Amino acid sequence: NAGVTQTPKFRVLKTGQSMTLLCAQDMNHEYMYWYRQDPGMGLRLIHYSVGEGTTAKGEVPDGYNVSRLKKQNFLLGLESAAPSQTSVYFCASSLELGQPNQPQHFGDGTRLSIL
Amino acid sequence: KNEVEQSPQNLTAQEGEFITINCSYSVGISALHWLQQHPGGGIVSLFMLSSGKKKHGRLIATINIQEKHSSLHITASHPRDSAVYICAALRPFYFGTGTSLTVIP
Repeated sequence: NAGVTQTPKFRVLKTGQSMTLLCAQDMNHEYMYWYRQDPGMGLRLIHYSVGEGTTAKGEVPDGYNVSRLKKQNFLLGLESAAPSQTSVYFCASSLELGQPNQPQHFGDGTRLSIL
Repeated sequence: KNEVEQSPQNLTAQEGEFITINCSYSVGISALHWLQQHPGGGIVSLFMLSSGKKKHGRLIATINIQEKHSSLHITASHPRDSAVYICAALRPFYFGTGTSLTVIP
């Protein structure tokens, strides 16, 4: 059981380039989330999805787009990368949203550097 | 202003010590999540709770809804407990900045 898998694990981009981060989960979870983690700051929610075909904005959505065309996949796109988007990105999934017996399961993270 | 505050930010303990990490939040929540992040960066869920107390091995989490406060306790700490511990309020989503714990043999 792989859980939550993020690809790629590392990436270096130049300013203005675009890329897509892929998150895949094999637990049949309805809810999926994209976070960024920066030094000295807690995890911040970028976008999330409450089911296939749905997406919603989180705390820091600007500069990112997402899609959930299949239940098991949640894609995070950067259309025109900026140095401020240098961060570690985590994907997570859960069966329910914010319920005590349904924790979020996290991927291993993607380290993204924008030069 | 941080909706979720953790203390202390850094903690060094001797092996075997009892450890307490505190989390206070200022928003109404449906549940509170305690996470562990190891030096390699992976994040695992320890507890989710909306009331009372939960225990798993040497880890105990408590929450006081009225006081908007939660604590994570580690009994008989071990060097393998060294990690960053993060509390998170869910619905809405707010994460603390983490407590970095180092347990010295």
